[in-house]
Amino acid sequence: EDQVTQSPEALRLQEGESSSLNCSYTVSGLRGLFWYRQDPGKGPEFLFTLYSAGEEKEKERLKATLTKKESFLHITAPKPEDSATYLCAVQIQGGSEKLVFGKGTKLTVNP
Amino acid sequence: GAVVSQHPSWVICKSGTSVKIECRSLDFQATTMFWYRQFPKQSLMLMATSNEGSKATYEQGVEKDKFLINHASLTLSTLTVTSAHPEDSSFYICVLAGEWTQYFGPGTRLLVL
Repeated sequence: EDQVTQSPEALRLQEGESSSLNCSYTVSGLRGLFWYRQDPGKGPEFLFTLYSAGEEKEKERLKATLTKKESFLHITAPKPEDSATYLCAVQIQGGSEKLVFGKGTKLTVNP
Repeated sequence: GAVVSQHPSWVICKSGTSVKIECRSLDFQATTMFWYRQFPKQSLMLMATSNEGSKATYEQGVEKDKFLINHASLTLSTLTVTSAHPEDSSFYICVLAGEWTQYFGPGTRLLVL
């Protein structure tokens, strides 16, 4: 069964304290891995798509990397406005375009 | 990217009533739309895949007679929760499938009393 596991469930950081979020996946074939940011009461906001092992993408303080088993979302020198729940999702090869989501990591950045 | 709207953004209803949620694309024509729901502290779970002009495909465990989906046009899909019960209280999100990415609606919070 296709599965996505995110860790930790929750993470508290001080402003400026860099860290990483993990997304491990078990799928029959990976078509793409997606990272989203979700603020309370809102729909997910797209961040990155990664397609193959070794691929990296960056956006401001965020950098996403991908291996054959997991993806990391690195947050460098975070700010309080980076506080949100970060969701990871995978799209399966040969299937429909549906996404399988992890439960997310709730990030809190304290000033 | 595409702009997706959902209406209403939140709704409170009595148990046993039906609620219709609209999902509109303002600037993108989607042949495929997805409906997800998200319970508190849980991941988004796919409910059904909606293709314009044909019947929706439901995920295992989702009752098609309870969650009616109508993909009326390339820019509009509706989800009707029939005879809603408190356990249907959730956050419902529509998603439009684009060529390279997916466009999320802002979500509809449903509370059934």
